[in-house]
Amino acid sequence: DARVTQTPRHKVTEMGQEVTMRCQPILGHNTVFWYRQTMMQGLELLAYFRNRAPLDDSGMPKDRFSAEMPDATLATLKIQPSEPRDSAVYFCASGYRGLTDTQYFGPGTRLTVL
Amino acid sequence: AQKVTQAQTEISVVEKEDVTLDCVYETRDTTYYLFWYKQPPSGELVFLIRRNSFDEQNEISGRYSWNFQKSTSSFNFTITASQVVDSAVYFCALSGYNTDKLIFGTGTRLQVFP
Repeated sequence: DARVTQTPRHKVTEMGQEVTMRCQPILGHNTVFWYRQTMMQGLELLAYFRNRAPLDDSGMPKDRFSAEMPDATLATLKIQPSEPRDSAVYFCASGYRGLTDTQYFGPGTRLTVL
Repeated sequence: AQKVTQAQTEISVVEKEDVTLDCVYETRDTTYYLFWYKQPPSGELVFLIRRNSFDEQNEISGRYSWNFQKSTSSFNFTITASQVVDSAVYFCALSGYNTDKLIFGTGTRLQVFP
């Protein structure tokens, strides 16, 4: 049963600290997405990659957020420096464009910035 | 512009009742996909169904059924004989055939009481 995995599942940090969230997409999927979920904004797309190349990061605050795919099995989302307003659940999703066109979500990372 | 509206913010039912979750969408694309996702209290987003715009057949999967009506731009989801385990937030989502972005509705929180 292939699944998207995310680490850590929970993260509590203090304002100003760097936060790194990791995602392992489903093997064989060529597209990876990062979303943020808050009560106020709902689910927002932050960025996504196809075949490890960034396609769109327009939803991401550029000054503090960065997303990368060092290899096909790992996607990272970094926040530096973190702020209390970054507190949210961050989801990674993967899919295979052109085949299933369905996004499968990981369990999320719940981030709390104090 | 694409938009998904889930007008029902919260629904409460008693176990074994049938419940329908409404989803209305807007798109200028002639070909598109519609999705339903479930978010149980544990927080993960679980894919339930994808429907292509050119396939208007209704679908049934166990106690779940989906009614897609292009004429009214609706993609409603019915749970028959609801169970406590169905308690969750349900999201309807839309993507264009040639786009990767998922547009989510605001979700409907379903509470099933024993």
